Amino acid sequence: QVTLKESGPVLVKPTETLTLTCTVSGFSLSKARMGVSWIRQPPGKALEWLAHIFSNDEESYSTSLRSRLSISKDTSKSQVVLTMTNMDPVDTATYFCARGLMEGIQPFAFWGQGTLVTVSS
Amino acid sequence: SYVLTQPPSVSVAPGKTARITCGEDNIGSKTVHWYQQKPGQAPVLVIYYDSDRPSGIPERFSGSNSGNTATLTISRVDAGDEADYYCQVWDTTSDQWVFGGGTKLTVL
Repeated sequence: QVTLKESGPVLVKPTETLTLTCTVSGFSLSKARMGVSWIRQPPGKALEWLAHIFSNDEESYSTSLRSRLSISKDTSKSQVVLTMTNMDPVDTATYFCARGLMEGIQPFAFWGQGTLVTVSS
Repeated sequence: SYVLTQPPSVSVAPGKTARITCGEDNIGSKTVHWYQQKPGQAPVLVIYYDSDRPSGIPERFSGSNSGNTATLTISRVDAGDEADYYCQVWDTTSDQWVFGGGTKLTVL
C-alpha cells in the first residue's frame, strides 16, 4: 500500500527557511524513474505545483519559484525533502507531496494528507 | 508559460450531466489529467491520459480532449460529486506541471 505523509513546522516567520519532509512507504524511491512532487494550496485557492524529484535525482521546479526551492531525497530513509527560502505570508498554504501513477512523468495517483504551514511573525 | 483556463463555477441539478472545461491553445496535443478535491481533503485523480479512469472511479466520470479544450463530464450527478475539480498537464516546454485554476461544482 502506497502512502505518503508530510511533516514540518506549522508556523514559520517571514524571511525564514521552510523545510518539509515527505515520508513514503509501499514503494522505493530508488525504483527507476519513480518520482515524488510537492504541491501547495493557499487557503481557498488553487493547487500550485512546486517541484519534482526522480529516483536518479533529476529535479524540476516551478519557474516562478525556482530561485527559492530545493528538493532532495534520502532513499535510505524513504524521505523527500523540500526547502523554501525567504518565506512570506503569501506562502501560507497546505503543502502536499504526491507520487505518480507509475514510473516516469505521471499524474498524481497518491497524495499525502497535506500539512498546513502558516507564515506569520 | 502554459496557462489552463477553467470556469470558476459550474452548477447542475441532481441526475443531470455536468461538463467542466479546461482551455489552452492546442491543449489537444497534450495529455490532460483531472482531480476532484473535497473540502479538507487531498485531491483525488478521477481521469488520466485524457479519458482513462483509475480503479474505483465511477463510470459516470469521463473525459475528452480536442483542439483547444479538454472536458471532464460527470453524468447523473449526485450530491457526492460536489467538489472542486482541477485539470493538469505536463508542459514539455518548461518541464513543469501546470494546474488549472479549478472549478467549483455545485449540485443544486
